[in-house]
Amino acid sequence: EDQVTQSPEALRLQEGESSSLNCSYTVSGLRGLFWYRQDPGKGPEFLFTLYSAGEEKEKERLKATLTKKESFLHITAPKPEDSATYLCAVQASYGGATNKLIFGTGTLLAVQP
Amino acid sequence: NAGVTQTPKFRILKIGQSMTLQCTQDMNHNYMYWYRQDPGMGLKLIYYSVGAGITDKGEVPNGYNVSRSTTEDFPLRLELAAPSQTSVYFCASSYSYGGTEAFFGQGTRLTVV
Repeated sequence: EDQVTQSPEALRLQEGESSSLNCSYTVSGLRGLFWYRQDPGKGPEFLFTLYSAGEEKEKERLKATLTKKESFLHITAPKPEDSATYLCAVQASYGGATNKLIFGTGTLLAVQP
Repeated sequence: NAGVTQTPKFRILKIGQSMTLQCTQDMNHNYMYWYRQDPGMGLKLIYYSVGAGITDKGEVPNGYNVSRSTTEDFPLRLELAAPSQTSVYFCASSYSYGGTEAFFGQGTRLTVV
């Protein structure tokens, strides 16, 4: 069964304390892996798309990497404004016109000053 | 640039009532989606559309209906509301279904009592 698992469920960091969030997946025919940020009471906001193992994307203090079985979102020297829920989603191809987007349950990140 | 706009932001329904959640996008995207988000669960796809006049079921379509008469609008209809439909609903759109990011609205928080 296609599945996306994110860990940890919650993470508390001190400002400046770097860490990583994990997204492991089992899907057939990966078309893309997406990272989103979601603030309380808001819709998810797109961060990155990764397409193939070995690919990396960076944006400010965030860096996303992809292997054949998992993706990491590395947060370097985080600031309190990085506090949010980070969602991972995988898009799989089933050989037809329909492609399914599967979301993980997210990691709630809190960065304390 | 408004992006994806959802109305209303909040709504309380009584069991058995019906309502329509509105969604409009101004990015000329062909693909539109409705998701629900429950605490501790990932976003679940309810319905999606690949263009005006074309809709299809997602993972959790029971109790909902959609229509797509224009590129811009994708309303979600709840018939005979049940407590199990208490959730946060997100509308999203994308340029294409596979491999490109989706843009989300701000969400509608629905409570069925």
